[in-house]
Amino acid sequence: DAKTTQPPSMDCAEGRAANLPCNHSTISGNEYVYWYRQIHSQGPQYIIHGLKNNETNEMASLIITEDRKSSTLILPHATLRDTAVYYCIVRVGGGTSYGKLTFGQGTILTVHP
Amino acid sequence: DAGVIQSPRHEVTEMGQEVTLRCKPISGHDYLFWYRQTMMRGLELLIYFNNNVPIDDSGMPEDRFSAKMPNASFSTLKIQPSEPRDSAVYFCASSLAPFKSVMPKNIQYFGAGTRLSVL
Repeated sequence: DAKTTQPPSMDCAEGRAANLPCNHSTISGNEYVYWYRQIHSQGPQYIIHGLKNNETNEMASLIITEDRKSSTLILPHATLRDTAVYYCIVRVGGGTSYGKLTFGQGTILTVHP
Repeated sequence: DAGVIQSPRHEVTEMGQEVTLRCKPISGHDYLFWYRQTMMRGLELLIYFNNNVPIDDSGMPEDRFSAKMPNASFSTLKIQPSEPRDSAVYFCASSLAPFKSVMPKNIQYFGAGTRLSVL
């Protein structure tokens, strides 16, 4: 699976949009971009995933560049409860690699009042 | 559904003792995963099962670690004998098989974890 690069930490004001970048320049055509987050003392939580089109759900939006070498997770109106470590993960959608999530160091997002 | 349930939430034991961590996956999920999280190494996949059969245990650190899944609703991770370096948070996760979900969701749902301290 392709490796990802994320900034170690970011800050965001409550109520503002949080934009978390992720670089995955070696991504292959059959690899998806997944985002998980881990709030302190909890297990990781799925947020969103995509292949090449932008995606939106009730939690966030995912913007993937046309060349698919980078993506941005957007939390449109960050709250204090969004303070967490955010992991960008790239992996094959199926086949023999199915099941493996390789977590990097992630981005520590701190939302402040 | 109550989600993935792990027990105990906290475990404190002495070096050399046997430790057993337990996991109940989400009903109907075909895949079960065990992860370990430490400050130094982050989140690491230890082993995963498909339909109760171990598929990949390449992440299991050594022979002191063993995992079983006797049925679809229960799995254990055992450490015998335990050592201080085994201190970590252990997570269990489960997911549907690809053919049972809109591909390729492959979403893994995690439990709250077991915090293990080996003194």
